Amino acid sequence: DTEVTQTPKHLVMGMTNKKSLKCEQHMGHRAMYWYKQKAKKPPELMFVYSYEKLSINESVPSRFSPECPNSSLLNLHLHALQPEDSALYLCASSQETPDRGYSNQPQHFGDGTRLSIL
Amino acid sequence: AQSVTQLDSHVSVSEGTPVLLRCNYSSSYSPSLFWYVQHPNKGLQLLLKYTSAATLVKGINGFEAEFKKSETSFHLTKPSAHMSDAAEYFCVVRPFSGGYNKLIFGAGTRLAVHP
Repeated sequence: DTEVTQTPKHLVMGMTNKKSLKCEQHMGHRAMYWYKQKAKKPPELMFVYSYEKLSINESVPSRFSPECPNSSLLNLHLHALQPEDSALYLCASSQETPDRGYSNQPQHFGDGTRLSIL
Repeated sequence: AQSVTQLDSHVSVSEGTPVLLRCNYSSSYSPSLFWYVQHPNKGLQLLLKYTSAATLVKGINGFEAEFKKSETSFHLTKPSAHMSDAAEYFCVVRPFSGGYNKLIFGAGTRLAVHP
């Protein structure tokens, strides 16, 4: 069992729907991440939250909207997605130093949400 | 520029034989290095990490990796493959850059284990 929990495991939605992906961790990690992974490819970073603030947006289209309500939760709101957005969406978390300095701690990944856009 | 090269996209071994998955990296400074494994329809699981301590790193499930700075390599090995080792393996570099924890992934190596 992973220590990062993602729900739902599978999601099928139409291009006009609005849905949300949820990620939760209780390891006290203060950095959380969203990745997108296409088949047979490594994960691609989308967003980074550090201490509940968005620190990195890797030029992700605005139809993806992240939210970090507290230090344990990370959401990804989806609206008007395109078929090419079908992928496995992974959440990860890691320890961060209080001064946001260099951290060599590994990221811990959830099992992902398999998203299919009709 | 930082980069990671996994030298084999596919590796096939017989059960009980040794496993070698090769990884070379490019980094301006001493990086942190990781190996992750991904089984079908699962997330990434950390196998082991190198963070400038011992150059021979032992991980879970009998895997280990050796950091060789002169060769800029971090190859993953296991003495005896098990059927359950069949998965995708990613070599990952965390460059020394301060700030947030951004990872650079290799393209992945798919390991097949045959009876």
